[in-house]
Amino acid sequence: EIVLTQSPGTLSLSPGERATLSCRASQSVNSSYLAWYQQTPGQAPRLLIFGASSRASGIPDRFSGSGSGTDFILTISRLEPEDFAVYYCQQYGNSLPITFGQGTRLEIK
Amino acid sequence: QVQLQESGPGLVKPSQTLSLTCTVSGGSISNGGFYWSWIRQLPGKGLEWIGYIYYSGITYYNPSLKSRLTISVDTSKNQFSLKLPSVTAADTAVYFCARVDRYCSSTSCKMGGIKGFAIWGQGTKVTVSS
Repeated sequence: EIVLTQSPGTLSLSPGERATLSCRASQSVNSSYLAWYQQTPGQAPRLLIFGASSRASGIPDRFSGSGSGTDFILTISRLEPEDFAVYYCQQYGNSLPITFGQGTRLEIK
Repeated sequence: QVQLQESGPGLVKPSQTLSLTCTVSGGSISNGGFYWSWIRQLPGKGLEWIGYIYYSGITYYNPSLKSRLTISVDTSKNQFSLKLPSVTAADTAVYFCARVDRYCSSTSCKMGGIKGFAIWGQGTKVTVSS
């Protein structure tokens, strides 16, 4: 099973700042199968990024993804108030199970 | 647009079977470009993938749950379902159903590999307690 470790656990920033969230895999992941999600309280997660760097439909261009191998990054260029949420990375590897990271909480400073 | 809605009991007694159904509206569950999945979120914790099913009935399960898990599909009703027997308090969670997008060209879809969980139901809270 591929374990995804996200850092930091909590990130405190102000609106307008840039956020950088990390996701590290315990073994190499095919970039095509690395995704990022946003979850706000009481809501289902929302797909932001698939294929490590492709934005899902309707996702603003301030969200971007990058990385390869075992290290992946989600960047939010200029934080809007609605961006403060929990973010998860997720991978589909050569074998099941599909796994998620434990999440990074992005909170208002 | 496509919407998913979970339904089922919110309270299940220990050792009994947790049964949930997901109804898909606004699109056909028989579209080969998608899998149909269950995911759960334990209280205050992260996300755990349970499994998914293709419209033909082919299933893919999380090995940690495989021994007691059944996911089925009813294309006539545009629904898929989850059955998890012998539940304990550790199965208390919010259960989500989701559409899984595959990588597809105009003529075929890639075997294995997924884009991600693109559309989610709102989730249903299931508590296991006597």
